[in-house]
Amino acid sequence: KNQVEQSPQSLIILEGKNCTLQCNYTVSPFSNLRWYKQDTGRGPVSLTIMTFSENTKSNGRYTATLDADTKQSSLHITASQLSDSASYICVVNQGTGANNLFFGTGTRLTVIP
Amino acid sequence: DAGITQSPRHKVTETGTPVTLRCHQTENHRYMYWYRQDPGHGLRLIHYSYGVKDTDKGEVSDGYSVSRSKTEDFLLTLESATSSQTSVYFCAIGGDNTEAFFGQGTRLTVV
Repeated sequence: KNQVEQSPQSLIILEGKNCTLQCNYTVSPFSNLRWYKQDTGRGPVSLTIMTFSENTKSNGRYTATLDADTKQSSLHITASQLSDSASYICVVNQGTGANNLFFGTGTRLTVIP
Repeated sequence: DAGITQSPRHKVTETGTPVTLRCHQTENHRYMYWYRQDPGHGLRLIHYSYGVKDTDKGEVSDGYSVSRSKTEDFLLTLESATSSQTSVYFCAIGGDNTEAFFGQGTRLTVV
């Protein structure tokens, strides 16, 4: 069964600290993996995309890693800011066509001053 | 927001009444989706469309119907709303190896 699991479910960190969010998937075939950020009351917005051949990709203070062999990805946030408080959703794309997106349930990150 | 507009943004309705949510896109994208988001479940696919008049069911389609008479509009209808359909509904475009762009969401409360 195609599944995407994220951990932890929620996380509270102090402003300025780093954190790492995890995503494990069993989706096959695999085309790419995206991390989305969802602010409260808004729709998800893509942070990074990683294809099969990519191991690491950065977007500012966000760094995503992908191990396609173990089917694991992580999102590392450096020097967290209050504005990083949001839900982070891992989405795996099987490839061409419609109905090919598999969503994790997200990690709720709260950054406190 | 990639040219996706959902309406209404908020709605309160009574059990048993019909409700229609609208998604409008200006990106001319072929694929459109309706999801619901509930605590502990993440985003779950209700219905999707792969072209005008071409739609298919997702994993939680019971109690919902959709229509797509134009490329830009994708309507989600709750024929007879129930309290279990209280949720936040998101429309999205994309797929087919492209990024999925989401609307701002519609918060629906069925009382």
